[in-house]
Amino acid sequence: GAGVSQSPSNKVTEKGKDVELRCDPISGHTALYWYRQRLGQGLEFLIYFQGNSAPDKSGLPSDRFSAERTGESVSTLTIQRTQQEDSAVYLCASSLGDYPFTDTQYFGPGTRLTVL
Amino acid sequence: AQSVTQLDSQVPVFEEAPVELRCNYSSSVSVYLFWYVQYPNQGLQLLLKYLSGSTLVKGINGFEAEFNKSQTSFHLRKPSVHISDTAEYFCAVTLRAGGTSYGKLTFGQGTILTVHP
Repeated sequence: GAGVSQSPSNKVTEKGKDVELRCDPISGHTALYWYRQRLGQGLEFLIYFQGNSAPDKSGLPSDRFSAERTGESVSTLTIQRTQQEDSAVYLCASSLGDYPFTDTQYFGPGTRLTVL
Repeated sequence: AQSVTQLDSQVPVFEEAPVELRCNYSSSVSVYLFWYVQYPNQGLQLLLKYLSGSTLVKGINGFEAEFNKSQTSFHLRKPSVHISDTAEYFCAVTLRAGGTSYGKLTFGQGTILTVHP
């Protein structure tokens, strides 16, 4: 498959635990985005990577959230000391990155995070 | 800041009927406009996008949308729907070049289209 993949597909954790969510973008895509969708709400932007740098982290809701990317490949989103309000579907998208304003973003299937 | 409003959270229609899913946006600067679709148990998929030029944009699966700058709308239409069009549809915008948006999408809340036989 040449699409964006995410793992795990589902994650159930207890409040206060740390979680790591993984995204494998389409090969050759330099731009990578994380979004989240909480129940009954639209998708919210979290962070944007161009290569392994993150010029826009403006959507990260708190300092419990962090993300990194290795080169132009895998990205991990880490949530520390999870809270119930972190429960959501976390979506990753990648695009060619040549002109991110108009490039099509290709989305992965998402990770459904449930914090008990 | 920009925002997107999808006026209908759910739209039920019968097969072969026409459908319109409404989307309005608000932004102090020019935007690019997108419609994405999410089929059950699948990821988001781009239906169509408006970048410039003709205000009528044709997408996949027979869908089209019309950009209306004066009404700040980008409604999605299909003249005859199929059962397989049952899905959730998201309207989204991104700011045009010149800012620091880097193409990040601002989404509406989604419209669930249910096509009945």
